[in-house]
Amino acid sequence: GNSVTQMEGPVTLSEEAFLTINCTYTATGYPSLFWYVQYPGEGLQLLLKATKADDKGSNKGFEATYRKETTSFHLEKGSVQVSDSAVYFCALSDQAGTALIFGKGTTLSVSS
Amino acid sequence: EAGVAQSPRYKIIEKRQSVAFWCNPISGHATLYWYQQILGQGPKLLIQFQNNGVVDDSQLPKDRFSAERLKGVDSTLKIQPAKLEDSAVYLCASSLSDRGAYEQYFGPGTRLTVT
Repeated sequence: GNSVTQMEGPVTLSEEAFLTINCTYTATGYPSLFWYVQYPGEGLQLLLKATKADDKGSNKGFEATYRKETTSFHLEKGSVQVSDSAVYFCALSDQAGTALIFGKGTTLSVSS
Repeated sequence: EAGVAQSPRYKIIEKRQSVAFWCNPISGHATLYWYQQILGQGPKLLIQFQNNGVVDDSQLPKDRFSAERLKGVDSTLKIQPAKLEDSAVYLCASSLSDRGAYEQYFGPGTRLTVT
């Protein structure tokens, strides 16, 4: 069945450091891929998405490229801020529009 | 635009008791989802509605969990009787449709503790 695997955390960085959170998936066909973020005390929010191979999703300085050849959707940001501290979830939805399948989440902690 | 509303935000019950959660999706959203998020894990789908019909309830423990979406708007999720392993955050989400990559909007969740 479909699944998502993301790197385990926590990830601890200093402000302005480069961020990469790895995400790989297993799916039949051509799923849509998502990154959701959960800030402390808040609900899940969509951060970015990509719906087909080679698409790049971007938002708030974060980027992720849909790589079908490596079945990956790694999240990157060139310079993290303290306000980026949160839990990040990689997720997929297949073409039939089924519910999201999430990874386990990666906790990011950024210190000043 | 109002977001997805859920209540209560927190609930503590003893095992074998029953509990119900309520969700009001974003106006006009046809698809409603209930997810269970156990501490340290990603959310897992319990049930998906399209209007007031069930699309997927394959992961719903039907011997103790039930859900309904009357009139295709609000939804309730019930657990009876609760077990210790049901301690989790229950998330409700809605989207315009179940077709294509429509964004799912999540509510704040209900944190359930079963003692």
